Amino acid sequence: EPEVTQTPSHQVTQMGQEVILRCVPISNHLYFYWYRQILGQKVEFLVSFYNNEISEKSEIFDDQFSVERPDGSNFTLKIRSTKLEDSAMYFCASRGPTGNTEAFFGQGTRLTVV
Amino acid sequence: AQSVTQLDSQVPVFEEAPVELRCNYSSSVSVYLFWYVQYPNQGLQLLLKYLSGSTLVKGINGFEAEFNKSQTSFHLRKPSVHISDTAEYFCAVSGAAGNKLTFGGGTRVLVKP
Repeated sequence: EPEVTQTPSHQVTQMGQEVILRCVPISNHLYFYWYRQILGQKVEFLVSFYNNEISEKSEIFDDQFSVERPDGSNFTLKIRSTKLEDSAMYFCASRGPTGNTEAFFGQGTRLTVV
Repeated sequence: AQSVTQLDSQVPVFEEAPVELRCNYSSSVSVYLFWYVQYPNQGLQLLLKYLSGSTLVKGINGFEAEFNKSQTSFHLRKPSVHISDTAEYFCAVSGAAGNKLTFGGGTRVLVKP
């Protein structure tokens, strides 16, 4: 069964450092998303990506964040200068070509900023 | 704008008892509704979805949900829970196809023997 793959599963970084979280969506999907879940809180939308551009972003997704689909298979989330409050589980998701389907989520990357 | 309210943050339930998790939503457009489950230290797995058609939706692991447009609800039910159903359950809504999901705050289900 196809699945969304995220790497690494856990990343620890120092405050102020740049991190890149990687995702391989399901191969024929066209819509891509990043969500985050701060420990004990709800899952929050960060950004959606379609046709090689951002289609929507939340107020959380400020200039410190960027997304890229560099090679047609990977979908990355970059945080330029991490803050303590960026510590969270980050989920990548992708959605099928018809659009009228559910989003499939990866297992998540737990980011810990120290 | 859309929002989702899960009225119960925690639901303790005994094994083999029924459970109902409540979800209410608000939206100015037609919605697609979803329930996801998150087992400890794992990602989100789809339980079931409502896109259109029959308002009673059956999902995996014996779960079902009923879409009630007049009450803007999408409650999740299981007639008999197992220990393995211990997890957090998230209700989510999206608008037009391809749009983001808006999640509720989650309901933690603890199944006791």
